[in-house]
Amino acid sequence: EAGVTQFPSHSVIEKGQTVTLRCDPISGHDNLYWYRRVMGKEIKFLLHFVKESKQDESGMPNNRFLAERTGGTYSTLKVQPAELEDSGVYFCASSQGRQRGYEQYFGPGTRLTVT
Amino acid sequence: GQSLEQPSEVTAVEGAIVQINCTYQTSGFYGLSWYQQHDGGAPTFLSYNALDGLEETGRFSSFLSRSDSYGYLLLQELQMKDSASYFCAVRDQGGGSTLGRLYFGRGTQLTVWP
Repeated sequence: EAGVTQFPSHSVIEKGQTVTLRCDPISGHDNLYWYRRVMGKEIKFLLHFVKESKQDESGMPNNRFLAERTGGTYSTLKVQPAELEDSGVYFCASSQGRQRGYEQYFGPGTRLTVT
Repeated sequence: GQSLEQPSEVTAVEGAIVQINCTYQTSGFYGLSWYQQHDGGAPTFLSYNALDGLEETGRFSSFLSRSDSYGYLLLQELQMKDSASYFCAVRDQGGGSTLGRLYFGRGTQLTVWP
């Protein structure tokens, strides 16, 4: 079974530019989450999709961040325009059902650097 | 707000036992999870406790005391490959189909020496 994949693995952009991160969850997983880790701090929740619907977007920092999940499959997270404080590692995770205590499977993350 | 506290670093030698503690303050509680992350990699699920007590999975065990808002991860027979960051995480929302977000601690860097 393929795991959660994310693209790109690294992205370096200038302040004011736009970046789109992509996440492909494990096939069949209805729940998809985005998290972010700023250097030295905890991994923080951004939002949660159930299929194509946003279940909880309380962690989105501001309206420069836009997440979509087309057809309930892959998801994109767009940052426009990027600011310096957006730098960090963006993780995607997916889960399905009540297996193993609601385990969330994480992708390897996209390391975003805004200069 | 939500907060989870865990030590920033722990060191131990191969073959030893180490315990990583986690205390939490969250508005809701539906379970405590532990994740392992090797440098630059994906956090990997290790264990989950929803009820008080000890859960054992091979060399790793996890404990929860809901009355104390406290849990720990116990790693036995340490190996060099166990050197990694370990995160505790609380799920603060209930069940149904809407499996909720995780709140993470800042992580504990475990270094295992030969």
